[in-house]
Formats: sequence, C-alpha cells, structure tokens
Amino acid sequence: GAVVSQHPSWVICKSGTSVKIECRSLDFQATTMFWYRQFPKQSLMLMATSNEGSKATYEQGVEKDKFLINHASLTLSTLTVTSAHPEDSSFYICSARDPLVDYEQYFGPGTRLTVT
Amino acid sequence: GQNIDQPTEMTATEGAIVQINCTYQTSGFNGLFWYQQHAGEAPTFLSYNVLDGLEEKGRFSSFLSRSKGYSYLLLKELQMKDSASYLCATMDSNYQLIWGAGTKLIIKP
Repeated sequence: GAVVSQHPSWVICKSGTSVKIECRSLDFQATTMFWYRQFPKQSLMLMATSNEGSKATYEQGVEKDKFLINHASLTLSTLTVTSAHPEDSSFYICSARDPLVDYEQYFGPGTRLTVT
Repeated sequence: GQNIDQPTEMTATEGAIVQINCTYQTSGFNGLFWYQQHAGEAPTFLSYNVLDGLEEKGRFSSFLSRSKGYSYLLLKELQMKDSASYLCATMDSNYQLIWGAGTKLIIKP
C-alpha cells in the first residue's frame, strides 16, 4: 500500500520558537494532503486541507498565520507552527490522498510536539 | 449539520466477539471508514463501505445502512492486540473525512 512519512517523529521546542513538520508521500503523488491535530484521549481534528500549488484551506478556528502550510510539490507538504506555545503541544498527523484511489487517505506516523 | 456518534468505551473478553456501533448525520456522503488507532500512533485503515451491506475482511467485518445512517464494526476472536481506539469516519462530497470521537476498546484476558 501507499506510504506516507513524517519528519520529525517527535520534537521538543521552547516557547516562542517555530517548528516545521514535513509530510511526504513516498510512492505516489498526492494532490491533496490533510493536516490533523489530536490531543490526548480526543479524536482527530482536521486543521487544514493542503492542495498542491495552491493555498491551504483552513478549518474554522485554526489560525492560518500561526500554522503555515506549504504544499510545494506533489509529494511534500509542510506545516510550520510559528511562535509555539505550550498549548500547541499535541500529536500532529498528516494524511495524503492518492488521486488514483478516490476514497482512501493514507496516514503518516504522526509527530509529537512538546512546547516547553 | 454533521454529527457522528459512537460509544466512548467498550470492554470485551479475549476470544469473544464485539460490535462497535456508529451513527451519523452528514451532508454529502462518499462512504464510511473504520480506522484503528493504538495509543501514540497514527490511525490505520480497517474498512470502507459505500454501499449497504456487510464487508468481511478476516476477523473484522463492517456493515453499512445508508437509509438508517448506521454502521458497525464487528471484531471476532478478539486478541489482546485489538485493544485500541476504533474511529468511525464519513467522507463528505469534498473527500474530507468527518471523524467520530472514537471508541476505546479494552480487551480483558
């Protein structure tokens, strides 16, 4: 099956700094990628939909200036958490949709962000 | 509006059968998914239903009734490794997934 990777798998940063998370589709071209956030014991929350070559579509309540998304190629999307605060500590997961298989989204392994 | 309901937690015994129910109300429907998620890990795909009926895949089966807005995931011959959260999600007309809160399944020996 299709493989999606994320880097880093975990990161600890200081409050006020920025962190970049990469999401790559390894064996297919993903025209659409999704970024999720998951707090402990809660379900996935969609943050934004990232389309290659265009601006991301953010869900209501997600600050686009704080969570910068770039989908510069068909295999790479990045999420940058700017001026991170402890409340941004969470599990960030990306997924990618293979346009040849309409229905399935393939998930990356997730990135655990801890802001101290 | 869009709403997906599933039980918060269920407990079952190793070797037994458990059924996890999911009811949904969504605008636009492109199918229903079940995912398994172990603590600290990303979800893994279990099943996809877009037509009414039962889809069987090994120990796991998934059922859909579109007229009732209802699905269930059936797990047979439960193993300890099946202890996880099970997420029900529907796909809307924009191919976005709408997620339920997940059902934490606890397997006891």
